[in-house]
Amino acid sequence: QSVLTQPPSTSGTPGQRVTISCSGSSSNIGSNTVNWYQQLPGTAPKLLIYSNNQRPSGVPDRFSGSKSGTSASLAISGLQSEDEADYYCAAWDDSLNGYVFGTGTKVTVL
Amino acid sequence: EVQLVQSGAEVKKPGESLRISCKGSGYSFTNYWITWVRQMPGKGLEWMGRIDPTDSYTYYSPSFQGHVTFSADKSISTAYLQWSTLKASDTAIYYCARQFSVAGPFDYWGQGTLVTVSS
Repeated sequence: QSVLTQPPSTSGTPGQRVTISCSGSSSNIGSNTVNWYQQLPGTAPKLLIYSNNQRPSGVPDRFSGSKSGTSASLAISGLQSEDEADYYCAAWDDSLNGYVFGTGTKVTVL
Repeated sequence: EVQLVQSGAEVKKPGESLRISCKGSGYSFTNYWITWVRQMPGKGLEWMGRIDPTDSYTYYSPSFQGHVTFSADKSISTAYLQWSTLKASDTAIYYCARQFSVAGPFDYWGQGTLVTVSS
């Protein structure tokens, strides 16, 4: 079972800003960097944010990440229809000595 | 262009064995770990473990230890995920991904291999 907790779903209209939270503990988010993955329907996951707030080349700057203590957040500004996807946070866990994913959040564009 | 190309979908019966593959191209295969991720139908992502293609050193998540085997052939830039005895509960999409460091992100992913285990 996932040790990183995310809301199951969120939604917004085009142009709106939505945020997704990711709650962890001192052994994962509290001591390691957070990565975010986007999974469009029927496709493989894609790296969206790494090292808490860095965007890989090609990822639009309307996606941003932040971390504070044992929690992290992903923000999508100027929501677009193509952002409709599942989003997962992830981090290394020092206690489990393994990589853990969040429970996943489905973003719906109304 | 970096690519990880996985083998095609498989349909197997419980108790059968299976090996699926993940071929890397466009980068130095031995400079990155290959990690494996499971996604059961309608569910989230689960990290299975990783292999270092340089020396085939493996690390398994406790949830998968003993049930799957990772291997790699660096001469053909290919990593493998293997089962000796499949169960119906192994039905899932399996992804390989590239990872530069032990706790680092998975920056490139394969397209996934759907494994269906059914009698």
